[in-house]
Amino acid sequence: GAVVSQHPSRVICKSGTSVKIECRSLDFQATTMFWYRQFPKQSLMLMATSNEGSKATYEQGVEKDKFLINHASLTLSTLTVTSAHPEDSSFYICSVGKGYNEQFFGPGTRLTVL
Amino acid sequence: EDQVTQSPEALRLQEGESSSLNCSYTVSGLRGLFWYRQDPGKGPEFLFTLYSAGEEKEKERLKATLTKKESFLHITAPKPEDSATYLCAVQESGGYQKVTFGIGTKLQVIP
Repeated sequence: GAVVSQHPSRVICKSGTSVKIECRSLDFQATTMFWYRQFPKQSLMLMATSNEGSKATYEQGVEKDKFLINHASLTLSTLTVTSAHPEDSSFYICSVGKGYNEQFFGPGTRLTVL
Repeated sequence: EDQVTQSPEALRLQEGESSSLNCSYTVSGLRGLFWYRQDPGKGPEFLFTLYSAGEEKEKERLKATLTKKESFLHITAPKPEDSATYLCAVQESGGYQKVTFGIGTKLQVIP
């Protein structure tokens, strides 16, 4: 497998502020990382695919100017939620792609926007 | 568009009572079908990848099988620590690694 960490695990912020979430691949150099969002009792929804050294690929309906993704190195990708609003409150999970097609997930970040 | 439907949505078992979870999928060409376990407030934990119809994989009390339309996750003599949500996901053939997830089956095993 692969060991993936996320920081912070929980964050509470005020509406209108920006929040940065880090995703680190601890034992593997990840060319590709993925960012997902999960609302209560719903499935994981892919937000974007992050490729090291290039621009992220966003899924339809995901605002790239609101969810800024930076994959600056083979071990770190960051997701910044800009001008967060209560409807952005969710569970954000990153994963790394390894091998043929498997993905290994981080522990997730619970974002609450007041 | 790829679709993944899991059933039942929730399942309650007595300890030792074996059962199966179902994952039905629609995909133009299957590259891989994945099973994950997710505990509350945590990220999914990888269990299995299945690539072609007829394939089976086992891990402790879990066994995953695959046909051209669905996959089953069989749980033999479950224990309370098997309680979790089990997620099924599919990846379409082609160069793109996008994975489509089902909503999951929430399993509760009662001592």
